[in-house]
Parts: sequence; C-alpha cells; structure tokens
Amino acid sequence: GAVVSQHPSWVICKSGTSVKIECRSLDFQATTMFWYRQFPKQSLMLMATSNEGSKATYEQGVEKDKFLINHASLTLSTLTVTSAHPEDSSFYICSGGEAGLAAYEQYFGPGTRLTVT
Amino acid sequence: KQEVTQIPAALSVPEGENLVLNCSFTDSAIYNLQWFRQDPGKGLTSLLLIQSSQREQTSGRLNASLDKSSGRSTLYIAASQPGDSATYLCAPRVQAGTALIFGKGTTLSVSS
Repeated sequence: GAVVSQHPSWVICKSGTSVKIECRSLDFQATTMFWYRQFPKQSLMLMATSNEGSKATYEQGVEKDKFLINHASLTLSTLTVTSAHPEDSSFYICSGGEAGLAAYEQYFGPGTRLTVT
Repeated sequence: KQEVTQIPAALSVPEGENLVLNCSFTDSAIYNLQWFRQDPGKGLTSLLLIQSSQREQTSGRLNASLDKSSGRSTLYIAASQPGDSATYLCAPRVQAGTALIFGKGTTLSVSS
C-alpha cells in the first residue's frame, strides 16, 4: 500500500505556543488530505478535509483559526495548532487519498502525539 | 450524518477461537468500507477494503462481509492469536474522495 509519513511523531509544547505537524505522501499524489484527532480511548474524529491548492473544509465544532491547514502540494499537508492549550493534547493522524483510482482508498500516517503543558 | 456503531466494544478470548466483530452504519448509501487495526498508541493498519458492489473480501485469516442494504459489515477472524490483540475499527465512505467515518472500535484481547 501507499505510504504516508508524519513529523514529528511526538511533541511536547508549552501552553500558548504553536505547533506544526507535517504529513507527506511518499509514493503517491494525495489530491485530498484528511486530518483526524483521537482522544484517549475514543475513535478518530475528522477535523478537516483539504484538496491541493484549496482552502480546507472544517467539520462542525473545529476552529479553523486555531487549526490551520495548508495543502500546498500533492505530497505535503501541514496542520498548525495555534496558541495550543492543554485540551488540545491529543493524537493527530493525517491520511491521503488519490483521485482516479478504481477503488478509492485512504492511506494513514503513523500519527503525532501532542502534549501541551 | 453517517454514524457507525461497533459491537462488542471489547472482547477477551483464548487463543484459537474464531471471532465475529460487528459494524453497523446509518447511511447505507456507501461507496466502500475499510476495516483497520490500531495497536495502542499507534496509527492505523488497513486490513481490508470492500467496495459497495462486493459482498466480501478475504485476507489470510480475516474475512470481511458487507450487507449494504442493511447497513452492516462483519469482520471474521479465524483461529485467533495473541498477536491479534488490538482495536479493530470499521469505517465506511459515502463517496469517493470523501473521508472515512469511524466507529469507536472493538478492543480485542487474545490470551495464550
């Protein structure tokens, strides 16, 4: 299957600072990128969907000014958590999909564990 | 809005048993459905993808079935092993290019 990488795999930051998470599709062109977050013992919740070169579409309840998503190329999407607070501590997972395939499938990154102190 | 329910929430079995994990979804007009495995603190491993036109898919000891009209999918695990211990997630997709929507998963523990 196709490979998606995320960096960093884990990060600890202080409250009020910003953190950027990178998501790269290594061997395919991700026309669409999805960002999810997962709280302990909970399922993955979709945060936003982004198409290359377009603004992201955010799910209800997700603050677009707090979670900045950039999808400037077909292989890179970034999520920036601005003015992070302890309640933003979570596991963030990105995934990419490639249009034009007979069977559309999402490929997931390994996730980034964010801890805000 | 698509909602996904997985039953049971947790399951503990001895090694060797055959297992059935259930998934139901409210919007039966799906494009395809994926089953994933997630180990604690880790990302997702894709297990099987079933297209809406298919009834089942098999990979090794895993078999996933899809009854689109009733909004259900089932994952069968044959001859379970301790290494199968993980959380199993079901995720349907409404249209090509849209995001997968996840259930809360079934946490499986297989003892030796």
